Amino acid sequence: DTGVSQDPRHKITKRGQNVTFRCDPISEHNRLYWYRQTLGQGPEFLTYFQNEAQLEKSRLLSDRFSAERPKGSFSTLEIQRTEQGDSAMYLCASRLGANTEAFFGQGTRLTVV
Amino acid sequence: EDQVTQSPEALRLQEGESSSLNCSYTVSGLRGLFWYRQDPGKGPEFLFTLYSAGEEKEKERLKATLTKKESFLHITAPKPEDSATYLCAVHGSGNTGKLIFGQGTTLQVKP
Repeated sequence: DTGVSQDPRHKITKRGQNVTFRCDPISEHNRLYWYRQTLGQGPEFLTYFQNEAQLEKSRLLSDRFSAERPKGSFSTLEIQRTEQGDSAMYLCASRLGANTEAFFGQGTRLTVV
Repeated sequence: EDQVTQSPEALRLQEGESSSLNCSYTVSGLRGLFWYRQDPGKGPEFLFTLYSAGEEKEKERLKATLTKKESFLHITAPKPEDSATYLCAVHGSGNTGKLIFGQGTTLQVKP
């Protein structure tokens, strides 16, 4: 499978716990994005990597959120001290160039109880 | 501020009943308008990219068109398997290529 891969697909955690999600982009894509989607809404941009450099972060990304992309390959998104409001679908996307289509993974559904 | 608005929020059609979905956008310098399909519990699946007013693209029963202020996704003789949420997006400001999405139109096609 050469598409964008995300792991895990589902995560249930207790409030206050830390969680980490992983995204493996399409191998030749140097641009990687994280989005968050809540029920009934379109995805909202969280952060952007070009190769290993994190070049933009949304105001939605509070200091409890951190993302990395070591060596410009896979990426991780960590949420510390989770809150119920963090419950959402977290989507990863990759693309080859700025104006080309972005391909999305299947997402990680986070439920904070 | 860049903004995308989709209408209607929900649409119910009978199989074979053609219709259109609307996407209105406000952006400083359009660098691409994107249509995606999203099935429940899954990530968005790319459908089309449109770059300039007057451009049209087709795929099976779907046809996307673009004007200077809006885009339409025309669905001709839909089938139940076309039921999904259709998302429209534009490039946000800056050079990162981040996408600004509308809230989507949820289409239900009944047999």
